[in-house]
Amino acid sequence: DQQVKQNSPSLSVQEGRISILNCDYTNSMFDYFLWYKKYPAEGPTFLISISSIKDKNEDGRFTVFLNKSAKHLSLHIVPSQPGDSAVYFCAAIYQGAQKLVFGQGTRLTINP
Amino acid sequence: DTGVSQNPRHKITKRGQNVTFRCDPISEHNRLYWYRQTLGQGPEFLTYFQNEAQLEKSRLLSDRFSAERPKGSFSTLEIQRTEQGDSAMYLCASSREIYEQYFGPGTRLTVT
Repeated sequence: DQQVKQNSPSLSVQEGRISILNCDYTNSMFDYFLWYKKYPAEGPTFLISISSIKDKNEDGRFTVFLNKSAKHLSLHIVPSQPGDSAVYFCAAIYQGAQKLVFGQGTRLTINP
Repeated sequence: DTGVSQNPRHKITKRGQNVTFRCDPISEHNRLYWYRQTLGQGPEFLTYFQNEAQLEKSRLLSDRFSAERPKGSFSTLEIQRTEQGDSAMYLCASSREIYEQYFGPGTRLTVT
């Protein structure tokens, strides 16, 4: 029962262009969503989050969009830089719960 | 501001042996979590502490697993009679608020 899904295992983008990572969820109780970035041999690093009462949150080069009716969120990175090459995890949580529910991750590769 | 630390970073053990991992959370964080990550998957929740109380455990946490947080500061995760299926990255996270959890670098366990 995969409540959070990232259907693209990998994505390759040219440096300077936009990277768009997608995430779908099935549990309508989720009310907060997060993106984490993970380098090899390191733990996930918190990147950006969004509450379900918003449809967009922006932080520098990173923007997260939430479409509640479609149960879909996306992370936009503009412009993409080589240091953005990592695995990106989408995670969700709902009020009253303690655990983050993660997707399987998308490996982003930024090509020079 | 030091982050979450975990020790050891790597552990190789033989099947049937017991292992113990330690997590030191960010000092002002009263919430502490353990997750497990296997290859190609996102982290999966194992257990949660608020201060010294263990408030939630996943079904993934079999009887061979035990976690403690004796004084509400550091935590230990012990696996008894290890099996090859226990090989994974064990991640610790801490938070002050419910939603944004900050992860340590993880302990990679290999059971031979």
